Amino acid sequence: AQSVTQLGSHVSVSEGALVLLRCNYSSSVPPYLFWYVQYPNQGLQLLLKYTSAATLVKGINGFEAEFKKSETSFHLTKPSAHMSDAAEYFCAVSKTGNTGKLIFGQGTTLQVKP
Amino acid sequence: EAGVTQFPSHSVIEKGQTVTLRCDPISGHDNLYWYRRVMGKEIKFLLHFVKESKQDESGMPNNRFLAERTGGTYSTLKVQPAELEDSGVYFCASSHPGQGSSGNTIYFGEGSWLTVV
Repeated sequence: AQSVTQLGSHVSVSEGALVLLRCNYSSSVPPYLFWYVQYPNQGLQLLLKYTSAATLVKGINGFEAEFKKSETSFHLTKPSAHMSDAAEYFCAVSKTGNTGKLIFGQGTTLQVKP
Repeated sequence: EAGVTQFPSHSVIEKGQTVTLRCDPISGHDNLYWYRRVMGKEIKFLLHFVKESKQDESGMPNNRFLAERTGGTYSTLKVQPAELEDSGVYFCASSHPGQGSSGNTIYFGEGSWLTVV
């Protein structure tokens, strides 16, 4: 069975500081991995996805994530936080070839302090 | 291009009543999904339509939930009768046909917030 664990339900950083949101997965088959973001009063928006190509994936708004098979991790990073990055972030996994059954982590709320 | 739209955005109903949520996917998207997030929990898959057919309904919690997609366009999710534990956010999502083997880009709506009192 697949699962996703996001470490830390709340993360607080100062504006301009590094953002690091942690995600570990469990999968018996090569996974597809995703990060979604939900801004207040909006739907889920895809930030980036890993589909077995490059292990370092670049997404929108300056975010990137690195797939590390040995650590079963897919942590999300951004070098410099902006106030507009405040949102809830979700890591998700699906089976290779699966047509959309995503398994989500619990979500991490990112707070950015001025 | 219009995104995934959901209606209503918010609904408050009494226990035992019926509620119907509607989802309009992005035009041309054969795949349509329903997900739910109960307060404090993770987002969970409910079911998946390919056009009008239910491809996977393994996440439907019980027979009080009925999803339909007549004609393969919009979908409805009916909860009858509603219980307190049904409160949460119901997300609809859609994707292009044939994207499954290459890693889906699934587009989500803003969600329908359901409160059962």
